[in-house]
Amino acid sequence: DAGITQSPRHKVTETGTPVTLRCHQTENHRYMYWYRQDPGHGLRLIHYSYGVKDTDKGEVSDGYSVSRSKTEDFLLTLESATSSQTSVYFCAISGTGRYNSPLHFGNGTRLTVT
Amino acid sequence: AQKVTQAQTEISVVEKEDVTLDCVYETRDTTYYLFWYKQPPSGELVFLIRRNSFDEQNEISGRYSWNFQKSTSSFNFTITASQVVDSAVYFCALSEASAGNNRKLIWGLGTSLAVNP
Repeated sequence: DAGITQSPRHKVTETGTPVTLRCHQTENHRYMYWYRQDPGHGLRLIHYSYGVKDTDKGEVSDGYSVSRSKTEDFLLTLESATSSQTSVYFCAISGTGRYNSPLHFGNGTRLTVT
Repeated sequence: AQKVTQAQTEISVVEKEDVTLDCVYETRDTTYYLFWYKQPPSGELVFLIRRNSFDEQNEISGRYSWNFQKSTSSFNFTITASQVVDSAVYFCALSEASAGNNRKLIWGLGTSLAVNP
């Protein structure tokens, strides 16, 4: 199994508060991704990183920011959480960014915004 | 436009039955990859297989097999002699070469498989 750890695993927070989710990998992979999973929408890409300090937006990036100061860590921040951001968040990694490279996922973080 | 359709939202079978999960995709690319992932009740997403658009050979791995047919734009997944541990949501995904890298994975909405004892 790919060494990917997401923390926290569960979090409940109030609307308007900032929240940071952490993804830590031990595989030394260059590419890291944040997805959210919602019923009826499947998996949607929020942001991704192709190296330290190199990040880009995905399809649902509004309301989210990311940072990657080290190869092994990729942080997802909700600056001011809203109820629409209640979701399960998955971090993923891949060795290359090529289209044929499979993603390997963490165990997910269940976030509830009340 | 690119699209992945998993028409079966939920399937319920009895243990030891064979079951096929359908995946139909749309793409204008001639070069692409298809993937299957499994999400068991515990929630993690597990990569199962990938297949490139130039390889139409069927793949078999134990009780799992995959049938890729470009003529019908399908990449179906069959579980033979299903077991309770196969209960999960299964996702099919498409990655096109023109997208540059697989950050543009296009996901189906998944098929929830329940295998009952």
